[in-house]
Amino acid sequence: GQNIDQPTEMTATEGAIVQINCTYQTSGFNGLFWYQQHAGEAPTFLSYNVLDGLEEKGRFSSFLSRSKGYSYLLLKELQMKDSASYLCAVLDSNYQLIWGAGTKLIIKP
Amino acid sequence: DSGVTQTPKHLITATGQRVTLRCSPRSGDLSVYWYQQSLDQGLQFLIQYYNGEERAKGNILERFSAQQFPDLHSELNLSSLELGDSALYFCASSSPGTDINTQYFGPGTRLTVL
Repeated sequence: GQNIDQPTEMTATEGAIVQINCTYQTSGFNGLFWYQQHAGEAPTFLSYNVLDGLEEKGRFSSFLSRSKGYSYLLLKELQMKDSASYLCAVLDSNYQLIWGAGTKLIIKP
Repeated sequence: DSGVTQTPKHLITATGQRVTLRCSPRSGDLSVYWYQQSLDQGLQFLIQYYNGEERAKGNILERFSAQQFPDLHSELNLSSLELGDSALYFCASSSPGTDINTQYFGPGTRLTVL
Protein backbone atom coordinates (compact mmCIF):
# COMPACT_ATOMS: atom_id res chain seq x y z
CA GLY A 1 0.00 0.00 0.00
CA GLN A 2 0.93 3.64 -0.10
CA ASN A 3 2.08 5.26 3.08
CA ILE A 4 3.32 8.63 4.23
CA ASP A 5 4.59 9.10 7.77
CA GLN A 6 5.18 12.32 9.61
CA PRO A 7 5.22 13.10 13.35
CA THR A 8 1.82 13.97 14.77
CA GLU A 9 2.94 16.96 16.78
CA MET A 10 6.09 18.99 17.44
CA THR A 11 6.86 21.89 19.74
CA ALA A 12 9.49 24.56 19.17
CA THR A 13 10.49 27.93 20.55
CA GLU A 14 10.05 31.28 18.85
CA GLY A 15 13.25 32.28 17.03
CA ALA A 16 14.54 28.71 16.85
CA ILE A 17 14.83 26.20 13.99
CA VAL A 18 12.64 23.13 13.54
CA GLN A 19 12.84 20.21 11.12
CA ILE A 20 9.69 18.27 10.21
CA ASN A 21 10.40 14.88 8.68
CA CYS A 22 8.37 12.92 6.18
CA THR A 23 9.00 9.38 4.96
CA TYR A 24 7.05 7.82 2.15
CA GLN A 25 6.40 4.53 0.41
CA THR A 26 4.38 5.04 -2.74
CA SER A 27 3.82 3.37 -6.08
CA GLY A 28 6.02 5.61 -8.15
CA PHE A 29 7.18 9.13 -7.46
CA ASN A 30 6.56 12.32 -9.38
CA GLY A 31 7.37 14.83 -6.71
CA LEU A 32 6.76 15.76 -3.11
CA PHE A 33 4.80 18.73 -1.82
CA TRP A 34 4.68 20.56 1.50
CA TYR A 35 1.63 22.54 2.48
CA GLN A 36 0.90 24.71 5.51
CA GLN A 37 -2.55 24.68 7.08
CA HIS A 38 -3.66 26.99 9.86
CA ALA A 39 -6.51 25.69 11.99
CA GLY A 40 -9.84 26.02 10.21
CA GLU A 41 -8.24 27.37 7.06
CA ALA A 42 -7.30 25.98 3.65
CA PRO A 43 -3.92 24.35 3.01
CA THR A 44 -1.50 26.66 1.21
CA PHE A 45 1.34 25.49 -1.02
CA LEU A 46 4.85 25.84 0.41
CA SER A 47 7.21 23.82 -1.75
CA TYR A 48 7.67 21.15 -4.39
CA ASN A 49 10.69 18.84 -4.74
CA VAL A 50 11.22 16.33 -7.50
CA LEU A 51 15.03 16.16 -7.56
CA ASP A 52 17.30 15.26 -4.66
CA GLY A 53 18.65 18.12 -2.65
CA LEU A 54 17.67 21.23 -0.79
CA GLU A 55 15.33 23.95 -2.05
CA GLU A 56 15.43 27.19 -0.09
CA LYS A 57 12.63 29.73 0.00
CA GLY A 58 13.21 32.45 2.54
CA ARG A 59 12.84 31.06 6.07
CA PHE A 60 11.57 27.73 4.72
CA SER A 61 13.66 25.01 3.06
CA SER A 62 12.66 21.58 1.83
CA PHE A 63 14.96 18.61 1.30
CA LEU A 64 14.41 15.42 -0.67
CA SER A 65 16.22 12.08 -0.87
CA ARG A 66 14.44 9.82 -3.34
CA SER A 67 16.66 6.82 -2.63
CA LYS A 68 15.69 7.00 1.06
CA GLY A 69 12.05 7.93 0.51
CA TYR A 70 12.62 10.88 2.81
CA SER A 71 11.98 14.59 2.94
CA TYR A 72 12.13 17.29 5.54
CA LEU A 73 10.82 20.81 5.88
CA LEU A 74 13.14 23.17 7.73
CA LEU A 75 11.71 26.30 9.30
CA LYS A 76 14.17 28.93 10.55
CA GLU A 77 13.71 31.97 12.78
CA LEU A 78 10.38 30.64 13.95
CA GLN A 79 7.56 33.09 14.44
CA MET A 80 4.32 32.61 16.35
CA LYS A 81 2.42 32.72 13.06
CA ASP A 82 4.24 29.53 12.01
CA SER A 83 2.03 27.61 14.44
CA ALA A 84 0.08 25.43 12.02
CA SER A 85 -0.12 21.94 10.59
CA TYR A 86 2.38 20.99 7.91
CA LEU A 87 1.23 18.45 5.35
CA CYS A 88 3.53 16.26 3.28
CA ALA A 89 2.09 14.86 0.05
CA VAL A 90 3.58 12.68 -2.71
CA LEU A 91 2.55 12.59 -6.36
CA ASP A 92 2.49 8.91 -7.30
CA SER A 93 2.97 7.19 -10.66
CA ASN A 94 -0.64 7.98 -11.64
CA TYR A 95 -0.14 11.64 -10.73
CA GLN A 96 -2.43 11.20 -7.74
CA LEU A 97 -1.51 13.11 -4.60
CA ILE A 98 -1.09 10.90 -1.53
CA TRP A 99 -1.38 12.91 1.67
CA GLY A 100 0.23 12.45 5.04
CA ALA A 101 -1.82 13.08 8.17
CA GLY A 102 0.07 16.28 8.91
CA THR A 103 2.34 17.53 11.68
CA LYS A 104 0.91 20.02 14.13
CA LEU A 105 3.64 22.53 15.01
CA ILE A 106 3.25 24.46 18.26
CA ILE A 107 5.45 27.52 18.74
CA LYS A 108 6.07 28.69 22.29
CA PRO A 109 7.33 32.18 23.19
CA ASP B 1 -6.21 34.37 -2.18
CA SER B 2 -5.77 31.17 -4.19
CA GLY B 3 -8.33 32.09 -6.85
CA VAL B 4 -10.50 29.09 -5.99
CA THR B 5 -13.94 30.03 -4.68
CA GLN B 6 -16.35 27.92 -2.67
CA THR B 7 -19.91 28.55 -1.58
CA PRO B 8 -21.43 28.57 0.89
CA LYS B 9 -18.88 29.29 3.61
CA HIS B 10 -21.00 27.71 6.32
CA LEU B 11 -23.90 25.31 6.14
CA ILE B 12 -26.01 24.03 9.02
CA THR B 13 -28.54 21.32 8.34
CA ALA B 14 -30.27 18.34 9.92
CA THR B 15 -29.67 14.62 9.65
CA GLY B 16 -31.29 13.02 6.63
CA GLN B 17 -31.11 16.18 4.55
CA ARG B 18 -29.30 16.82 1.27
CA VAL B 19 -26.93 19.69 0.50
CA THR B 20 -24.92 20.92 -2.49
CA LEU B 21 -21.51 22.52 -2.20
CA ARG B 22 -20.18 24.59 -5.05
CA CYS B 23 -16.64 25.24 -6.27
CA SER B 24 -15.20 27.47 -9.00
CA PRO B 25 -11.61 26.63 -9.94
CA ARG B 26 -8.85 29.10 -10.74
CA SER B 27 -9.06 30.57 -14.19
CA GLY B 28 -7.57 28.09 -16.66
CA ASP B 29 -7.47 25.13 -14.28
CA LEU B 30 -9.11 22.01 -15.68
CA SER B 31 -8.88 19.71 -12.64
CA VAL B 32 -11.05 19.97 -9.56
CA TYR B 33 -10.55 17.91 -6.40
CA TRP B 34 -12.82 17.49 -3.40
CA TYR B 35 -11.58 16.77 0.11
CA GLN B 36 -13.21 16.17 3.47
CA GLN B 37 -11.49 17.16 6.71
CA SER B 38 -13.13 16.24 10.01
CA LEU B 39 -12.10 18.02 13.20
CA ASP B 40 -8.37 17.54 13.92
CA GLN B 41 -8.12 14.95 11.14
CA GLY B 42 -6.09 14.80 7.97
CA LEU B 43 -7.34 15.56 4.48
CA GLN B 44 -9.43 12.77 2.99
CA PHE B 45 -9.47 12.77 -0.79
CA LEU B 46 -12.97 12.24 -2.17
CA ILE B 47 -12.94 12.66 -5.93
CA GLN B 48 -11.23 14.38 -8.86
CA TYR B 49 -12.66 15.70 -12.11
CA TYR B 50 -10.70 16.73 -15.15
CA ASN B 51 -12.39 18.81 -17.84
CA GLY B 52 -15.81 17.40 -17.00
CA GLU B 53 -14.82 13.76 -16.61
CA GLU B 54 -14.26 11.81 -13.42
CA ARG B 55 -10.51 11.15 -13.15
CA ALA B 56 -9.96 9.55 -9.74
CA LYS B 57 -12.01 8.38 -6.81
CA GLY B 58 -10.96 8.24 -3.18
CA ASN B 59 -12.91 7.37 -0.06
CA ILE B 60 -16.17 8.82 -1.27
CA LEU B 61 -19.36 7.42 0.23
CA GLU B 62 -22.19 6.25 -2.04
CA ARG B 63 -24.37 8.96 -0.47
CA PHE B 64 -22.01 11.55 -1.96
CA SER B 65 -21.74 12.46 -5.61
CA ALA B 66 -20.05 15.16 -7.64
CA GLN B 67 -19.94 16.58 -11.12
CA GLN B 68 -18.01 19.14 -13.12
CA PHE B 69 -19.91 21.32 -15.54
CA PRO B 70 -18.88 22.64 -19.00
CA ASP B 71 -17.84 25.97 -17.43
CA LEU B 72 -15.56 23.88 -15.16
CA HIS B 73 -17.25 24.69 -11.90
CA SER B 74 -18.01 21.68 -9.74
CA GLU B 75 -20.65 20.65 -7.25
CA LEU B 76 -20.48 18.11 -4.46
CA ASN B 77 -23.82 16.64 -3.42
CA LEU B 78 -24.18 15.09 0.01
CA SER B 79 -27.39 13.24 0.78
CA SER B 80 -28.97 11.37 3.71
CA LEU B 81 -26.68 13.37 5.93
CA GLU B 82 -25.41 11.90 9.18
CA LEU B 83 -23.84 13.55 12.20
CA GLY B 84 -20.46 12.16 11.15
CA ASP B 85 -20.60 14.10 7.89
CA SER B 86 -19.95 17.31 9.81
CA ALA B 87 -16.60 18.51 8.50
CA LEU B 88 -14.76 21.06 6.42
CA TYR B 89 -15.09 20.34 2.72
CA PHE B 90 -12.34 21.73 0.53
CA CYS B 91 -12.17 22.06 -3.19
CA ALA B 92 -8.82 22.41 -4.95
CA SER B 93 -7.88 23.00 -8.55
CA SER B 94 -4.80 22.43 -10.65
CA SER B 95 -3.62 22.79 -14.20
CA PRO B 96 -1.35 20.04 -15.53
CA GLY B 97 1.55 21.15 -17.65
CA THR B 98 2.17 24.40 -15.81
CA ASP B 99 3.30 23.86 -12.24
CA ILE B 100 3.33 20.11 -11.95
CA ASN B 101 -0.17 19.56 -10.62
CA THR B 102 0.20 21.91 -7.68
CA GLN B 103 -3.21 21.99 -6.07
CA TYR B 104 -4.59 25.33 -4.93
CA PHE B 105 -7.29 25.17 -2.30
CA GLY B 106 -10.46 27.14 -1.83
CA PRO B 107 -11.42 28.50 1.61
CA GLY B 108 -13.69 25.53 2.31
CA THR B 109 -17.30 24.98 3.31
CA ARG B 110 -17.92 24.17 6.95
CA LEU B 111 -20.83 21.71 7.17
CA THR B 112 -22.56 21.13 10.48
CA VAL B 113 -25.15 18.36 10.68
CA LEU B 114 -27.41 18.56 13.73
